[in-house]
Amino acid sequence: AQKVTQAQTEISVVEKEDVTLDCVYETRDTTYYLFWYKQPPSGELVFLIRRNSFDEQNEISGRYSWNFQKSTSSFNFTITASQVVDSAVYFCALNTGTASKLTFGTGTRLQVTL
Amino acid sequence: DTAVSQTPKYLVTQMGNDKSIKCEQNLGHDTMYWYKQDSKKFLKIMFSYNNKELIINETVPNRFSPKSPDKAHLNLHINSLELGDSAVYFCASSQEHYNEQFFGPGTRLTVL
Repeated sequence: AQKVTQAQTEISVVEKEDVTLDCVYETRDTTYYLFWYKQPPSGELVFLIRRNSFDEQNEISGRYSWNFQKSTSSFNFTITASQVVDSAVYFCALNTGTASKLTFGTGTRLQVTL
Repeated sequence: DTAVSQTPKYLVTQMGNDKSIKCEQNLGHDTMYWYKQDSKKFLKIMFSYNNKELIINETVPNRFSPKSPDKAHLNLHINSLELGDSAVYFCASSQEHYNEQFFGPGTRLTVL
């Protein structure tokens, strides 16, 4: 069975603060894929990143960065210098070779205020 | 050009009715999906098709029937709608099941 836990239900920050969204996953598979998606207030689901289980290298894309640690089964997402446009629900998701499907976490709602 | 499109965007209907939601992708992907997002934002897969073949059916009531006329289309037909079917339904596609999925804009279904 596979499971994704996003323990932070809601986070509020003031613009320009850094914020980290936590994601912990569970799987017995050795090959798996981790994802982050953003769902802004307009409702669409936007793909942000995909990592496979063999690549623990951290990734940076502009103000976004991701920290993948197999030792703690975590795939955390940091937004540096947050902006109001970052306000959204962020989902972490897991796909394994055997399950062949995306299992989503419950999402973290990020509210960035001025 | 829209990559994954769904129609309609909103659907309001009475209990007991039958309705369909259409989905099309122009990405050339082999795999398509239907997800349900409930009022608490929880996303759960319903069905997955690969090259028109059903791969995943996640214990969805058989009132829900997906149909894939070709690999670019995956429609969802719902019979005898119930109040609990009210949700946002998302269609998605990916090249292989382990690749990133691209989602349609969603269809908000309200059953009265």
